[in-house]
Amino acid sequence: DADVTQTPRNRITKTGKRIMLECSQTKGHDRMYWYRQDPGLGLRLIYYSFDVKDINKGEISDGYSVSRQAQAKFSLSLESAIPNQTALYFCATSEIQGAGSGIGETQYFGPGTRLLVL
Amino acid sequence: AQKITQTQPGMFVQEKEAVTLDCTYDTSDPSYGLFWYKQPSSGEMIFLIYQGSYDQQNATEGRYSLNFQKARKSANLVISASQLGDSAMYFCAMRELGIQVGKLIFGQGTELSVKP
Repeated sequence: DADVTQTPRNRITKTGKRIMLECSQTKGHDRMYWYRQDPGLGLRLIYYSFDVKDINKGEISDGYSVSRQAQAKFSLSLESAIPNQTALYFCATSEIQGAGSGIGETQYFGPGTRLLVL
Repeated sequence: AQKITQTQPGMFVQEKEAVTLDCTYDTSDPSYGLFWYKQPSSGEMIFLIYQGSYDQQNATEGRYSLNFQKARKSANLVISASQLGDSAMYFCAMRELGIQVGKLIFGQGTELSVKP
């Protein structure tokens, strides 16, 4: 079984609809992230959470919200979807390594959710 | 300014040959980490290799090695003995020690095609 799962894997929705993308992990990691990928732009960070009570905005959080329901679950919501939110969305997890800076911590990605907003 | 630059949108390599994918970065932070990820056509992001800014030796993981030139701020990925399954997008990423520890900054990627 995959360590990081995302549901749904593909989604088509209409402008104005509210949708939720879900992420679950069995790695036991504290830190979770949501990224979006657009062609030619690499991955950009939407939100991240270092534990259940800690949620932070990334570089492109406008139009999105998140919920950290448990250590293993991190959901991304589009309150009112718009066409330029069409993208590939990734969830990632990582763990804190000792008392260091965390520079070396590796992020492990889920399989991605392809979202099309019409 | 771009923090991570991958200047090669696409690369071709013959099977069994070595290939170097370029990555340059920009940071004033003395503590940072550099990562390479592979994204095959199926879409998932696969971690390949990591290099810390204080690491004395270049990182290696199987057929992957990272040519780390700190003064030039470059972190090129070298794939030895290319295989058809290496055809994919490759992303270089950096994490700085700063306010948002944990945030990865990605380059735009290089698409590698391995020819039989």
